[in-house]
Amino acid sequence: QKEVEQDPGPLSVPEGAIVSLNCTYSNSAFQYFMWYRQYSRKGPELLMYTYSSGNKEDGRFTAQVDKSSKYISLFIRDSQPSDSATYLCAMRASSGSARQLTFGSGTQLTVLP
Amino acid sequence: ETGVTQSPTHLIKTRGQQVTLRCSSQSGHNTVSWYQQALGQGPQFIFQYYREEENGRGNFPPRFSGLQFPNYSSELNVNALELDDSALYLCASSAGTENTGELFFGEGSRLTVL
Repeated sequence: QKEVEQDPGPLSVPEGAIVSLNCTYSNSAFQYFMWYRQYSRKGPELLMYTYSSGNKEDGRFTAQVDKSSKYISLFIRDSQPSDSATYLCAMRASSGSARQLTFGSGTQLTVLP
Repeated sequence: ETGVTQSPTHLIKTRGQQVTLRCSSQSGHNTVSWYQQALGQGPQFIFQYYREEENGRGNFPPRFSGLQFPNYSSELNVNALELDDSALYLCASSAGTENTGELFFGEGSRLTVL
């Protein structure tokens, strides 16, 4: 079983829809949670970064972390065709000197105009 | 401020050959990490370098090795290439090794092993 599970999709929604992306994890040592966006044939781009449980909002994006359930979510409001990409969740433990991220396998999102 | 740059962007090798991939970190960043991303998968951590020393390694065999130079640029070397080494290799830089600050990725080097 993978440490981080993510539904690969593909997920297709109409423009303006609210998108919900999710990941579950098994390692209780994870303390830092991130969402990256990756366009085709490009490197991942950091979207959201949260520490421990709670919510964080940035424009149309909201990240939620529920450590008790080992579940994280990314919500995209008023989705746009430019949001079409693969979304990767990533997480990291707080101890240790290496900033080693464990990624989910990514969810491919298409927003239709 | 320049971002993370990687070279080459694409390359094709045959099984058994050796490859060197290069990375220039973002200005002001002294830590470099390398990740392997197979098609349809998330990136997997290979190793991290801080002040020219390897200070973390994922589950990759010794034929994956690296270097970091005094200007914080880095190389990833892979010996005895196997077909399964075909992937996008991503370099990421960050400032320091503490928990604050996050990784900034380059666009990757796409390696095909025939």
